[in-house]
Amino acid sequence: GAVVSQHPSRVICKSGTSVKIECRSLDFQATTMFWYRQFPKQSLMLMATSNEGSKATYEQGVEKDKFLINHASLTLSTLTVTSAHPEDSSFYICSAKQGSGGNTIYFGEGSWLTVV
Amino acid sequence: LAKTTQPISMDSYEGQEVNITCSHNNIATNDYITWYQQFPSQGPRFIIQGYKTKVTNEVASLFIPADRKSSTLSLPRVSLSDTAVYYCLVGTQEGGKLIFGQGTELSVKP
Repeated sequence: GAVVSQHPSRVICKSGTSVKIECRSLDFQATTMFWYRQFPKQSLMLMATSNEGSKATYEQGVEKDKFLINHASLTLSTLTVTSAHPEDSSFYICSAKQGSGGNTIYFGEGSWLTVV
Repeated sequence: LAKTTQPISMDSYEGQEVNITCSHNNIATNDYITWYQQFPSQGPRFIIQGYKTKVTNEVASLFIPADRKSSTLSLPRVSLSDTAVYYCLVGTQEGGKLIFGQGTELSVKP
């Protein structure tokens, strides 16, 4: 089946620095990908919709200047957490829908971000 | 996107059948019902999807009554490895956007 891969799986960064998380669709093209954040013992919260070749669409309450999303190709979306703070520490998950012939959304393995 | 309501948690024992019911009173005509499973520190994994009546695959069955205002995920003969959070989602998924509810934390005991 379709596979969505994230990298890195775990990252630790210092407060004030930026960190980039990649989301790749390995065997299909995805014009749209989605980024979620999940805190421990909570559900997934949709952050933004990543659109290939255009600006991302952010959910209400998500700072677009803090969470930069770039979808430069049909198989890659990146989430950059800028000027990270400890409260940004979370599990970040991406998803993608196969462009045609399918109605299933596939999720990446997730990326743990710890800001110290 | 239709709101869903599930039990927060459920307990079961190995070998039992587990049924998790989800309410979605405001489901729209074009909406599908999809269930995902999530283990700690992993992304959600697709389990099953249906529109009406009954759907069965190698891991689960999905029962949807005629009014489609609820659905039941049935896991036959659960094992310890089925301990996870199960999410019921409703939507067209045409664009791929999914809004997650709280999910049901299933604990399978020996």
